[in-house]
Order: sequence, then C-alpha cells, then structure tokens
Amino acid sequence: QVQLQQWGAGLLKPSETLSLTCIVSGGSFSGYYWNWIRQSPGKGLEWIGEINHSGSTNYNPSLKNRVTISLDTTKNHFSLKLTSMNGADAAVYYCARGRDWGSSPRDFDNWGQGTLVSVSS
Amino acid sequence: QSVLTQPPSMSGAPGQRVTISCTGSSSNIGAGYDVHWYQQLPGTAPKLLIYRNTNRPSGVPDRFSGSKSVTSASLAITGLQPEDEADYYCQSYDGSQSGSVFGGGTKLTVL
Repeated sequence: QVQLQQWGAGLLKPSETLSLTCIVSGGSFSGYYWNWIRQSPGKGLEWIGEINHSGSTNYNPSLKNRVTISLDTTKNHFSLKLTSMNGADAAVYYCARGRDWGSSPRDFDNWGQGTLVSVSS
Repeated sequence: QSVLTQPPSMSGAPGQRVTISCTGSSSNIGAGYDVHWYQQLPGTAPKLLIYRNTNRPSGVPDRFSGSKSVTSASLAITGLQPEDEADYYCQSYDGSQSGSVFGGGTKLTVL
C-alpha cells in the first residue's frame, strides 16, 4: 500500500518561499501523476500542480508564475516550491497521487497527511 | 468562488438517504469530463470515495453511489450513519483552467 509522508517548514514570513517535500513509499512513481493540493478556509480545495515520472509538469494557471514542482525518483520524493508567499497562501498543503485515466480527469487516490502553512511577519 | 457548485451544508437522520449535488458548466462537467468525489473527516486528508462518476474504490461501502448527467453530478448516501458526518467534495477537470477543479464542499450533518 502506497504511503505519502510530507514535511517542510510551516511558518513563513511574507515574500519567503515555501518548500515542501513528499516522500513516497510502497509504490512506484511510474504511471502516476504526483500532485500538490491546498486547502484554505476561505477557498476550499485548490489544485496547485502535478508532475509525472518523466518530469513533465502542469500547473494551476493562477499560480504558474510562482510554483515549481520537481521529482527525485532516486530518493522517492517530489517537492513543491512556491515563491513570494503572502497571507492568501496560508493553507493546509497536501501531496497526493493522481491516477492517469487518459482523457478522463485524474483522481487522487492517496494523500499525504497535510502540512499547515502560516504566513506572518 | 469554486468552479463546481455544491450546497454548503446538508443534514439527515440516521437511516435516511441524502443526495449531494455538484453543478458545473460547459467547460468542465458539461464538456464530458468525469467527476470524482471525496470524503473528508475532521482533521484528516480527503479520501477518494467515488471515481469516474460511479465507481467505488475497494473498501467504500455500497451505501455510497455516484451519478452524472449533462452538467452536474450527484453523490447519494443511503442508510445514513453517524460516521458519515463529514465534508464531501466533487472534483473534475476544467478546460478553460487547464487543470483539476473542486467543488466548494458540502458539510453533512447526521442528526
């Protein structure tokens, strides 16, 4: 059974860069898309972006200028960087495995435990 | 404002049936994209409940079922149980946003 465990700093100052890592155990990177999703009280769930095992990425257009998702298959992890953090970026950030259904939208069948990220000076 | 529209809250008594709607538009559900549903218990990550409109992952009780029509989808829960009290989210793909989109979530209360 695949497990996703995420870690990273949860308290940032405005303008700093968020860095989170998600370690994948019990499964292969191949054949899946690896996602970051966030949840804030005011905006619900928001898809941030994804990466596949080949390193191909897709990002939410609203965050595209600030986000980078990378993958290290040798260390079984993928990472999120979100620059220029501000109060609107405060949320619980989740990593999640996305299943590829071809022309059908990906679903997210395994999730990390979530990381609460706060932004305050 | 979420791309997919869900009622913010619903309630039902134990044993009853409830149906949660998810309304989209021509750029997402109406474009033919499938809908997935998630259950989120307090303080936990969302859990996949229904995928590709009607399919249940292993371990999900058959009390949960999904359906899809032209521009909307529904999650039905029959024989409501206290442990069903949770937030429920729909998810699909939106062509105009080029990515996954979620509904705003429905908080289900079991009376």
